[in-house]
Amino acid sequence: DAGITQSPRHKVTETGTPVTLRCHQTENHRYMYWYRQDPGHGLRLIHYSYGVKDTDKGEVSDGYSVSRSKTEDFLLTLESATSSQTSVYFCAISEPVNTEAFFGQGTRLTVV
Amino acid sequence: DQQVKQNSPSLSVQEGRISILNCDYTNSMFDYFLWYKKYPAEGPTFLISISSIKDKNEDGRFTVFLNKSAKHLSLHIVPSQPGDSAVYFCAASDGNDYKLSFGAGTTVTVRA
Repeated sequence: DAGITQSPRHKVTETGTPVTLRCHQTENHRYMYWYRQDPGHGLRLIHYSYGVKDTDKGEVSDGYSVSRSKTEDFLLTLESATSSQTSVYFCAISEPVNTEAFFGQGTRLTVV
Repeated sequence: DQQVKQNSPSLSVQEGRISILNCDYTNSMFDYFLWYKKYPAEGPTFLISISSIKDKNEDGRFTVFLNKSAKHLSLHIVPSQPGDSAVYFCAASDGNDYKLSFGAGTTVTVRA
């Protein structure tokens, strides 16, 4: 299994609070991604990174920000959580283009 | 607008028979296609892929077929086994990008 660790694995938070999810990899892969999985939508890309301090938006980036200060860590922040952000969040890594991405085990986030 | 579509949310098949999962895409720039398998409470795991220069790729019980003119691909699982019961996601990327676009998934149930 690829060395990807997501933390926390489960979190319940209140509307309006900030939340940070962490993805840590031990594979030294260049590319890292954050996806969310929702019924009927599959996996949708939130943000991605193509190197340290190099990030860009995905298709559902509103309300989310990311940071990557080290190759191994990619943080996803919900500045002010809303109920629509209740979802399962997956981190993925890949290297290089046109090869498979490896996924973490996911973080189940519930915003109440 | 979803560029990768899996129009069958679910599929039930008898053990030992063939499972056929379908996927359609709209972006003609896609040139690499992948199938992922996902069990509950786990991250997606890579199953099989195909490049646009091929029309078939086989790996054991799994075969992916690509019809570029129809913008359609399919995954065949023969013979189906109980451990194949999972959600299957179709994904695609283009050669200038390393982001994957996913379909909504198909839940496969293999009956004994």
